Order: sequence, then structure tokens, then C-alpha cells
Amino acid sequence: AQSVAQPEDQVNVAEGNPLTVKCTYSVSGNPYLFWYVQYPNRGLQFLLKYITGDNLVKGSYGFEAEFNKSQTSFHLKKPSALVSDSALYFCAVRDIWSNYQLIWGAGTKLIIKP
Amino acid sequence: DAGVIQSPRHEVTEMGQEVTLRCKPISGHDYLFWYRQTMMRGLELLIYFNNNVPIDDSGMPEDRFSAKMPNASFSTLKIQPSEPRDSAVYFCASSGQGADTQYFGPGTRLTVL
Repeated sequence: AQSVAQPEDQVNVAEGNPLTVKCTYSVSGNPYLFWYVQYPNRGLQFLLKYITGDNLVKGSYGFEAEFNKSQTSFHLKKPSALVSDSALYFCAVRDIWSNYQLIWGAGTKLIIKP
Repeated sequence: DAGVIQSPRHEVTEMGQEVTLRCKPISGHDYLFWYRQTMMRGLELLIYFNNNVPIDDSGMPEDRFSAKMPNASFSTLKIQPSEPRDSAVYFCASSGQGADTQYFGPGTRLTVL
């Protein structure tokens, strides 16, 4: 069965420090992987996706994610955190052979402290 | 591009009343998704459409919930009768053919008293 795990409910980082939000997945075939961000009282916004190709994917707002097939992970990273990055982050996966339904992680609350 | 449009943004109603949520997807998108988000259950897919046809409604919690997509530019999610446990934020999202990326609307915050 397909699944996504975000092992941390909350991540706290000081402004200016690098940040990592973790995501691991399980699919039967090759995965399509996504990261979305949700600011308070807003809808989810697409950040980046991995379909194929380079394992390091660059996205919006300076975020990037690294696809690691052997570890079945797709961690979200940013070299220098901003207070404005504080939000809820969701990882999602789709098996390329399945329908268009995404399997969503539970979300990780990122708090950047000044 | 106006993005996905949802209305109303907020809805407060009393138990037993009918509630209709509306969504206009991004023009040209073939897929439309309805989600529900709560603190307890997180983000749940309720139903999705492809070319106006419902493909998977296994996430619809009960017969009180129904969704329609009469044309490519409009969809509704109806709850009749509503109950307090239906209180949540309801999102609509759309994506293009083969595009995979789903684009979300701002959501409708529903409160059932």
C-alpha cells in the first residue's frame, strides 16, 4: 500500500540556520513526490515536485528537496531559514501507475524563531 | 490566471441545514478534487472528477455528502443535512491532464452549530 510519513509534528529552527523537513514514502512503483506549504488560513501552495531526473529538485521561495531512492526519502531543505517560512508543510506521493490521487503526509509545522 | 476560486469563504449554519460549497477550477484543467481538512483527521480526499465525471468518491463520508460537476468550470459539494462534526475547512483543487500538480483554492471554513 502507498503511504507517506512525516515523522516530525513540529520543527523549530533559528532564523538564518539551515532547515530540513523530513518525508519518507512507500509506493509499489516509481514515485511522483510533492511538497506543499500552507500558511495560516490559506490553501495549500505547491512548492516543488520530483518526477524523474536530477535527484535535487529546486522549488519556490528558495526551497529544495533531495530524492533518495535507496532511503525512500524526499526531505525538504533550505540553506537559510526566514521567519516568513513558518507554516505547515505537507509531503505527498503518487505511484505513476495509479490514478491521480495523491497520498498525503500528516504535515509538519515549521517554526522559525528570530 | 485567477487560480481556483471557492465560495463562500466562510459558512456558519445550524445543524440540519443544507450547505452548498462551490468551486471554479483553473480554466483548462481536467481534474477537480474536493478535500476536507480537520485538526483530528488532517487532509482527506473526498471525491475527484476527470472531465466532469466522478472517478473516485470513496472518501465521501456519508450519503449526506454529494458532489456534482455539471460543466468544466463549476463544481458543488453539498451536505444535507449538516451536522456539527462536518465542521472543517473544505478545499477544492484542480490539475491539468498529465500535470500531476494540484492547485488549491483558498478553502471554505464551515462551522455547523
